Amino acid sequence: DSGVTQTPKHLITATGQRVTLRCSPRSGDLSVYWYQQSLDQGLQFLIQYYNGEERAKGNILERFSAQQFPDLHSELNLSSLELGDSALYFCASSVEGAIYGYTFGSGTRLTVV
Amino acid sequence: GQQVMQIPQYQHVQEGEDFTTYCNSSTTLSNIQWYKQRPGGHPVFLIQLVKSGEVKKQKRLTFQFGEAKKNSSLHITATQTTDVGTYFCAGRRVSGGYNKLIFGAGTRLAVHP
Repeated sequence: DSGVTQTPKHLITATGQRVTLRCSPRSGDLSVYWYQQSLDQGLQFLIQYYNGEERAKGNILERFSAQQFPDLHSELNLSSLELGDSALYFCASSVEGAIYGYTFGSGTRLTVV
Repeated sequence: GQQVMQIPQYQHVQEGEDFTTYCNSSTTLSNIQWYKQRPGGHPVFLIQLVKSGEVKKQKRLTFQFGEAKKNSSLHITATQTTDVGTYFCAGRRVSGGYNKLIFGAGTRLAVHP
């Protein structure tokens, strides 16, 4: 257990639907990052939050949005899902300033059918 | 935009052979991190290098950071089947006042017994 909790572990949904992925960071970590990993691909950075505020954006589609709540958990919302959105979605957390290594959760595997 | 290139993309070795993966950045990095992702798992932080020319060892793994802080390498001596997985480098630089960690595409290592 890395200390970063992601739910659900698996999600199967139909095209056009909307889903919410949830992440609870490791205790004490203020930064949360979302990454997308398609089959046998690298880690595509989506978005970063720090203590409730958006800090950086990567290649995140307009159909996707995220937020970090006062208790520091974060949610990634994916809407109007397409087949190509099928992927592993990882959440990672780190301490302030992100000068240390990231701790990744076990990921949510999203399958869009 | 800033890129972190990693080669090779795949590497197949016989157990006992050595393995090296290389990471190159188009810009100077403040530090570089290495992660390992086992098949079906999530990335796990291995190490961070900060100083120019720094070399760190973890048992059979040797990590190097180039003098210009633009490249890095991970060398595994006498690979074992437990080394199987994808190795990612991640370079950090300050952008817009914030630290950004950019992941390479990863090197997938297969070890044949």
